[in-house]
Amino acid sequence: DGGITQSPKYLFRKEGQNVTLSCEQNLNHDAMYWYRQDPGQGLRLIYYSQIVNDFQKGDIAEGYSVSREKKESFPLTVTSAQKNPTAFYLCASSINSYADEQFFGPGTRLTVL
Amino acid sequence: DAKTTQPTSMDCAEGRAANLPCNHSTISGNEYVYWYRQIHSQGPQYIIHGLKNNETNEMASLIITEDRKSSTLILPHATLRDTAVYYCIVRAALNQAGTALIFGKGTTLSVSS
Repeated sequence: DGGITQSPKYLFRKEGQNVTLSCEQNLNHDAMYWYRQDPGQGLRLIYYSQIVNDFQKGDIAEGYSVSREKKESFPLTVTSAQKNPTAFYLCASSINSYADEQFFGPGTRLTVL
Repeated sequence: DAKTTQPTSMDCAEGRAANLPCNHSTISGNEYVYWYRQIHSQGPQYIIHGLKNNETNEMASLIITEDRKSSTLILPHATLRDTAVYYCIVRAALNQAGTALIFGKGTTLSVSS
């Protein structure tokens, strides 16, 4: 089945530790995105990538880092510099950056203790 | 991107039509109206989009006013599985400087039997 996978579904980390969230897609999409969602709020863009080996900061990139070494993979690292990392993280992809529809993964709920 | 205004919540009886309004009074001529929905703890799902003509697909209908300052998403026969947060988003289809969707808080639709 084609789609976007994010793992794990739930993730717990101690304060001060870096953690990497996985996002993989087999849709052959060029563009990929990372969003953050806090309780009762909409989604906010962290980083996006229009093509392999390229990525741009979104609205709330501070404390996060990404890489795009392969077309199908767009991992997000939450660093210790992120002040409030506990949130629901969503990865999405689209055919290209001009596409009408973005396809979302199931999300990873990160809790920092 | 233009801002949108949606009611915080709405209720609908199962089997009836759900009409979800959205105001986007500052929409530009090249900006489309998109609708996504998010079922609890899942990633958002694309529903429909349009520019100025009414649109219909297997999920819903989109009615855009002639002045394009508001629109209505119609779910013709709501079911319990349509309970979700519905997001109205406006953006230019060919946005080269930041291609992500801007999600507000949306409308929480509760469908009951």
